[in-house]
Amino acid sequence: KAGVTQTPRYLIKTRGQQVTLSCSPISGHRSVSWYQQTPGQGLQFLFEYFSETQRNKGNFPGRFSGRQFSNSRSEMNVSTLELGDSALYLCASSFRQGRTNEKLFFGSGTQLSVL
Amino acid sequence: GESVGLHLPTLSVQEGDNSIINCAYSNSASDYFIWYKQESGKGPQFIIDIRSNMDKRQGQRVTVLLNKTVKHLSLQIAATQPGDSAVYFCAETASGAGSYQLTFGKGTKLSVIP
Repeated sequence: KAGVTQTPRYLIKTRGQQVTLSCSPISGHRSVSWYQQTPGQGLQFLFEYFSETQRNKGNFPGRFSGRQFSNSRSEMNVSTLELGDSALYLCASSFRQGRTNEKLFFGSGTQLSVL
Repeated sequence: GESVGLHLPTLSVQEGDNSIINCAYSNSASDYFIWYKQESGKGPQFIIDIRSNMDKRQGQRVTVLLNKTVKHLSLQIAATQPGDSAVYFCAETASGAGSYQLTFGKGTKLSVIP
């Protein structure tokens, strides 16, 4: 099986712009999560989607949003970019059924630099 | 809020020796734990997981130990190799919640000395 695929691998944007990141989960996985990784804050949960529904959101401003499509692919969007949004954005997928958590697999991430 | 933390931020070991990476967690509701390895420029790679109904689980060259009494998790790597050099993260979550959300530790950098 192919792993979690994220595109693009690198992005450079300027303050005030918006960006959309894409994620294709492992085939058969319906749960898709997004995490932000920075040297200072480590790995922080952004949101999780399951069957096109956002089930939870981390402590991030409303500028961070996402969605999931019927094929489980997901996108996240950041509007009005700030310098502090520079980070590695990681997508992860899981074959989570019911209420039991299963292995969570990560993609290689999108490295976003805001200038 | 409750979080997962690591005792040692850096660890240097001689090639061939065993490595032990420790992790403390504070959420008593956590019942599922995962160890990840992250190499430079890559996403976290799943190593091994353990549920709270187990004390020990073994994989290929790796063993995870869970001590629920003191809320402590450890990852043991046998016969450490240069390819094991990376940052290791523990993560925890509680099943039964409406969402799957991992809380990560800050990470331990493992350096293997050839």
